[in-house]
Amino acid sequence: AQSVTQPDIHITVSEGASLELRCNYSYGATPYLFWYVQSPGQGLQLLLKYFSGDTLVQGIKGFEAEFKRSQSSFNLRKPSVHWSDAAEYFCAVTLQGGKLIFGQGTELSVKP
Amino acid sequence: EAGVAQSPRYKIIEKRQSVAFWCNPISGHATLYWYQQILGQGPKLLIQFQNNGVVDDSQLPKDRFSAERLKGVDSTLKIQPAKLEDSAVYLCASSSSTRSDEQYFGPGTRLTVT
Repeated sequence: AQSVTQPDIHITVSEGASLELRCNYSYGATPYLFWYVQSPGQGLQLLLKYFSGDTLVQGIKGFEAEFKRSQSSFNLRKPSVHWSDAAEYFCAVTLQGGKLIFGQGTELSVKP
Repeated sequence: EAGVAQSPRYKIIEKRQSVAFWCNPISGHATLYWYQQILGQGPKLLIQFQNNGVVDDSQLPKDRFSAERLKGVDSTLKIQPAKLEDSAVYLCASSSSTRSDEQYFGPGTRLTVT
């Protein structure tokens, strides 16, 4: 069955430290890959997406993600976390057709 | 450009009551989605419309949930009768096509069933 796994339910990092959020998917083919962020009481905002081409993609707010086909992974990274990055992060995938399959989410807390 | 609008933002009802949510997508977006997000989980697609036709409603509990998009613009999601397990945030999203373009999400409606 198609699935998306975010192994870390909750991560705490210090402000200014680097961040990596993990995402693994299980699909028969390479899907389209997304990372969304959700702040409390807000809808989901797209951080970045991968369809094809360069496996390192840049997104908004200083985030980047790397697609690794051999590991079926699409991990999100940021070199220096800001307090305003505290939120919930969702990895999502879709085959052509639009339906998004989301992971469980990773809640990010930032220590001052 | 105005975003996806949803109302109400919050709703509290008792079990067995009915409730309806409204969504107005971004102007010109042909594809509209309703997702259910239960606390602690990622959103799950309930139904996808392309214009006013249903593309995917395989995850919609049709015995109690219904949705329509009569004129291919705004949409209504209804639950009748509600159960305790329907407590969730209901997110509406829209995109310009059924391809894997970016989906734009509304702020959601938080439903509490008591």
